[in-house]
Amino acid sequence: GIQVEQSPPDLILQEGANSTLRCNFSDSVNNLQWFHQNPWGQLINLFYIPSGTKQNGRLSATTVATERYSLLYISSSQTTDSGVYFCAVRRGGADGLTFGKGTHLIIQP
Amino acid sequence: DSGVTQTPKHLITATGQRVTLRCSPRSGDLSVYWYQQSLDQGLQFLIQYYNGEERAKGNILERFSAQQFPDLHSELNLSSLELGDSALYFCASSPMDRGRELFFGEGSRLTVL
Repeated sequence: GIQVEQSPPDLILQEGANSTLRCNFSDSVNNLQWFHQNPWGQLINLFYIPSGTKQNGRLSATTVATERYSLLYISSSQTTDSGVYFCAVRRGGADGLTFGKGTHLIIQP
Repeated sequence: DSGVTQTPKHLITATGQRVTLRCSPRSGDLSVYWYQQSLDQGLQFLIQYYNGEERAKGNILERFSAQQFPDLHSELNLSSLELGDSALYFCASSPMDRGRELFFGEGSRLTVL
């Protein structure tokens, strides 16, 4: 099946810092989503972005489908940004979303 | 709030028992997906239903089964429970069979003692 690799696995930053999270995938996809899992376990949709660039407040994402990677940018980090960020993809006609192992982000005050 | 409702939120049971997890999709969504999140396996796709019919199967054990009812809610049945079945079980929904965005419920945390 499709492989999804996220980097870095862990990231510790001070409040106010910026960060870039990366997601590489091994095959062409027709669905790519970024999620934030908060400390209570909720999976929160951040972006549906199989290609192109989107922005939502301090967060933005870019997917370069031809090169099989996606980037999630977080600017001016806040402690509430802490948690695990997952990238998930699906190939055309394939089964459910395949998740990466996530990036565990800790924002310190 | 994603609009996907899962019950119960927490469940503690013993090995060998059977439990049923329930999911109500977002209004208008026809597809329901079940996922399992455990510490060692990460987030794994179990099964998908679309408008009452099974559409795709992932890493779902034979002891597990699911169905989607005419009102589009879904149930995941877990039987002969083992310690390793302790996990967070998520339901997700989307409007269509393939493609498009999935929205996840808050999950049902199952603890098997």
